Amino acid sequence: QSALTQPASVSGSPGQSITISCTGTSSDVGGFNYVSWYQQHPGKAPKLMIYDVSDRPSGVSNRFSGSKSGNTASLTISEVQAEDEADYYCSSYRGSSTLGFGGGTKLTVL
Amino acid sequence: QVQLVQSGAEVKKPGSSVKVSCKASGGTFNSYPISWVRQAPGQGLEWMGGIIPMFHIVNYAQNFQGRVTITADESTSTAYMELSSLRSEDTAVYYCAREARIAAVGSSPLGHWGQGTLVTVSS
Repeated sequence: QSALTQPASVSGSPGQSITISCTGTSSDVGGFNYVSWYQQHPGKAPKLMIYDVSDRPSGVSNRFSGSKSGNTASLTISEVQAEDEADYYCSSYRGSSTLGFGGGTKLTVL
Repeated sequence: QVQLVQSGAEVKKPGSSVKVSCKASGGTFNSYPISWVRQAPGQGLEWMGGIIPMFHIVNYAQNFQGRVTITADESTSTAYMELSSLRSEDTAVYYCAREARIAAVGSSPLGHWGQGTLVTVSS
């Protein structure tokens, strides 16, 4: 199965908001409210930032938010900070106990 | 606090197999699915499969069917991922991750991750 589609890169200046999209199909993103977002800094394991489309684990800044419309999920980071510079991956349940990831988006803070 | 500690880096020859372990501590091991995810150098995350240890229910990604075997030993709270017929394209960091809910494999977020195990396939 193909990876979920994410832009390869996004950028923003400190204090701005950025949005990363994650496009799938009705068999994954559109069919289940089981979309998660992960942040990964170089050389580190991924960290869960958003789950079930829009829920935030405890300890994650409320500057991170998630949403979904149809087959596309989005991660928004408000008031971007230097420490947010990282790779971001979406994932979605695909039914039949399988999971898919997006190709990843590199966030550059200018 | 849940912790997942993986086995150390491996160097393997093409055609051989590798088995990576993932030992859990600080939480309930048996009920929560454990997934395996790999990341080739400079590439994205790729889900390989997962297991619910208590029931030994295993699900694999289509791309790895027939080449990967995921198992779990409840007595030691350890999950294993074995990949066979290794080729150079299998060079990657392999992660185990525990899902956050007692539910079907892949249906809940990966809340806890191991530190990763680098597997290098080279002749």
